[in-house]
Amino acid sequence: GDSVTQMEGPVTLSEEAFLTINCTYTATGYPSLFWYVQYPGEGLQLLLKATKADDKGSNKGFEATYRKETTSFHLEKGSVQVSDSAVYFCALRRYGNKLVFGAGTILRVKS
Amino acid sequence: EAQVTQNPRYLITVTGKKLTVTCSQNMNHEYMSWYRQDPGLGLRQIYYSMNVEVTDKGDVPEGYKVSRKEKRNFPLILESPSPNQTSLYFCASSLGLAEYTGELFFGEGSRLTVL
Repeated sequence: GDSVTQMEGPVTLSEEAFLTINCTYTATGYPSLFWYVQYPGEGLQLLLKATKADDKGSNKGFEATYRKETTSFHLEKGSVQVSDSAVYFCALRRYGNKLVFGAGTILRVKS
Repeated sequence: EAQVTQNPRYLITVTGKKLTVTCSQNMNHEYMSWYRQDPGLGLRQIYYSMNVEVTDKGDVPEGYKVSRKEKRNFPLILESPSPNQTSLYFCASSLGLAEYTGELFFGEGSRLTVL
């Protein structure tokens, strides 16, 4: 069945460091791909998305490119801030309104 | 303000004592869903509803019930809670299938502990 695999965390970085969180997927066809972010004590919220191969989603300085050949959707940010500390979830749209989520990656940014 | 509201936010209960977690959204969304979040497992879908009076099982429905009598409300019912249902629960909503863009709107979560 469809699935999403994320790199295990926690990922701990210093402020202004470069961030990469890896995400790969297994799915039939070409699903839409998403990154959601969960700040402490809150629900998830959509960070960015890409609906077809080679699309790049971007928001708040974060970027991710839909790579069909490697079935990947890695999240990157050039310079992280303490306020980026959160849990990041990669997800794919399986069918209908259903999303399949990865296990989540905790990001901790130190000042 | 557009939001999904869950209650209670925190609950400690005992095995076998029926409980209901309410969920309400004010965005006139057709689609609503319940997820549970467990460490290392991410979010897993419990039940979902495409519209009023239309509900279906997600990936982990055992031990749960839902109803969708009104468009805005989608309560999650645990008839006889057990310790393995200790988890963080999220309600989410979105536009209907025809307009769906992939964005789910989540509540703030309900942390349930079953002793």
